[in-house]
Formats: sequence, structure tokens, C-alpha cells
Amino acid sequence: DTAVSQTPKYLVTQMGNDKSIKCEQNLGHDTMYWYKQDSKKFLKIMFSYNNKELIINETVPNRFSPKSPDKAHLNLHINSLELGDSAVYFCASSRDRDSNQPQHFGDGTRLSIL
Amino acid sequence: AQSVTQLGSHVSVSEGALVLLRCNYSSSVPPYLFWYVQYPNQGLQLLLKYTTGATLVKGINGFEAEFKKSETSFHLTKPSAHMSDAAEYFCAVNPNNAGNMLTFGGGTRLMVKP
Repeated sequence: DTAVSQTPKYLVTQMGNDKSIKCEQNLGHDTMYWYKQDSKKFLKIMFSYNNKELIINETVPNRFSPKSPDKAHLNLHINSLELGDSAVYFCASSRDRDSNQPQHFGDGTRLSIL
Repeated sequence: AQSVTQLGSHVSVSEGALVLLRCNYSSSVPPYLFWYVQYPNQGLQLLLKYTTGATLVKGINGFEAEFKKSETSFHLTKPSAHMSDAAEYFCAVNPNNAGNMLTFGGGTRLMVKP
């Protein structure tokens, strides 16, 4: 009964490959997010979707493309992976877009580029 | 634009001692403030939040934080540290007019010595 689940937990791949990370939430939330946490633990938002609609896109390269087939899922596809993409990627969700709503995080996907 | 500064990337306390983790923010509008905790290989978990009302907020695991507008601070405290409190702690700010877009501080690693 995990609230926000991401797969895979670990992803090791070669530079230049294309990969996807999946995220699902069973909280009935309207809004979902992707964050990137770098090697120094710094967390930065990448995207936010509300009811399948993109609302935040924070200066992320075009190689990153989020897809929301329904409001319970927000997947992240990454083309032509680069060394700098190595990080932990967190999916999160919140009840709605209101700023006072806490965000619920998944356990992260650790992406390592060889 | 908003920013969050957490003084001290590492804090070490003895078991049973007071825990004080510092957070200062800058925001052009009254913000909502959050503390999250991250245990190894896990996602972020909400500890507590300040939105409106009482400036001293209590969270889970015996933590509390006080919003001090004049000092633009939201420091996290716990009277007596427990070994299980060892983790990474993140302060985050969310301006209350910009949708649910968290800006995180750089994190503070809390170490608890026996």
C-alpha cells in the first residue's frame, strides 16, 4: 500500500541510451512532480503536472520528457543520457496545487551513467 | 524569488542532547514553510509545516519549529536526540501565491553519538 511508488529503484546504463522512470500514486492526488537530487543532496524541481497538464517546467533540457497518461501516473523519459544526468530522481504528489499542501515523496530512482 | 539557507551541512549531537537545525529563508511574499526528513535510501517525509496561525508548530517524532518573521527563520528543534533521528533534514519554502513549488535548502545531516 505504498503511497508514491517509483520504478526502477536503481538504473545503471551507458551514455547515449534512452531510459524511462515510472511513478504512480494511490493517494488520489491531482498534482505530481519530478525532482532531481544531485550528489551533494541538493534538490531541485524539474516538472509539475496537475490533472495531466504540465504546469511547471524548470529549465530542464529537452532530452527530459514527462508524460502523464492519467492523474495517478507521471513518467519521466530521458533521451541520449549524459554523465551529468547521474542523480537520484524523486517523484512526489500533493492533493492539489495549493502552496500549503505538503508533498508526498517516493523512495527515489538512483540513475548512474557509465 | 525565494531562497533557503540551512546553516551547517553537518550537525553532531550526543544522544539525549538538544537538537537545533537552522533555517533562514528569503521570500518576497509571506511563505509557507516545511521541514522534511530523509533517511538513507528513502524519499523525503514531512516532519511539520507552517502555513498560518500559531508560529510554533509541532511535528512528528517530537520535533517542533518556530516561524519568526522578523528573523526570517524557521529553526527545527527537538529537546532530546535519539539515535533514530540520524538523517538528512531539509527546510523548504513555498511562496503562497505561486502554486505548489517548493524551494529546498541544501540540507543538514544530523549525526547522533551514543
